[in-house]
Amino acid sequence: EAEVAQSPRYKITEKSQAVAFWCDPISGHATLYWYRQILGQGPELLVQFQDESVVDDSQLPKDRFSAERLKGVDSTLKIQPAELGDSAMYLCASSARQGARYEQYFGPGTRLTVT
Amino acid sequence: SQQGEEDPQALSIQEGENATMNCSYKTSINNLQWYRQNSGRGLVHLILIRSNEREKHSGRLRVTLDTSKKSSSLLITASRAADTASYFCATAGGNTDKLIFGTGTRLQVFP
Repeated sequence: EAEVAQSPRYKITEKSQAVAFWCDPISGHATLYWYRQILGQGPELLVQFQDESVVDDSQLPKDRFSAERLKGVDSTLKIQPAELGDSAMYLCASSARQGARYEQYFGPGTRLTVT
Repeated sequence: SQQGEEDPQALSIQEGENATMNCSYKTSINNLQWYRQNSGRGLVHLILIRSNEREKHSGRLRVTLDTSKKSSSLLITASRAADTASYFCATAGGNTDKLIFGTGTRLQVFP
């Protein structure tokens, strides 16, 4: 069964350092999402791509976060510089079609700890 | 920001018992979805119910939706230890096309 791949699974970094996460969606899924999930809360959308274009990045802290999906397939989320408050689970999801009426498939996530 | 609030925050039951989780939301929706998250893992889609539907079943899962009260419930019948996880509702619609997740219910099923 096809799955969304994410790496690394765990990342520990010091504040002010740069960190990057990678996501490979299910083959053929044009829509890709990055979510941040703080411990004890539900995921919150950071950025949504349709192919290589950003559809929604209204909740992305653009002073330190960036995301790209250059060829419309895999994607990278970067934080520079990392802050203590960035400690969270970063989840990638993909769906076959754009729109919240369609099922999203989630990867296992990257657990980030900023010290 | 979180759209939905789930109740209870945590629930502990014995295997074989039924588990009921509730979700309340604030704005109009097109659909409501339920997801499961095992500890430290990604989310798995369980079921989607549209705003014009009142009840939906999938295996041991039963979801109800009351748009007049802006609430939904998820019932898991004959629970198993493997059902131990966090359960999230997520709403779609209103003036946004993105999923907005609730705060989640942590379910513990004891064998």
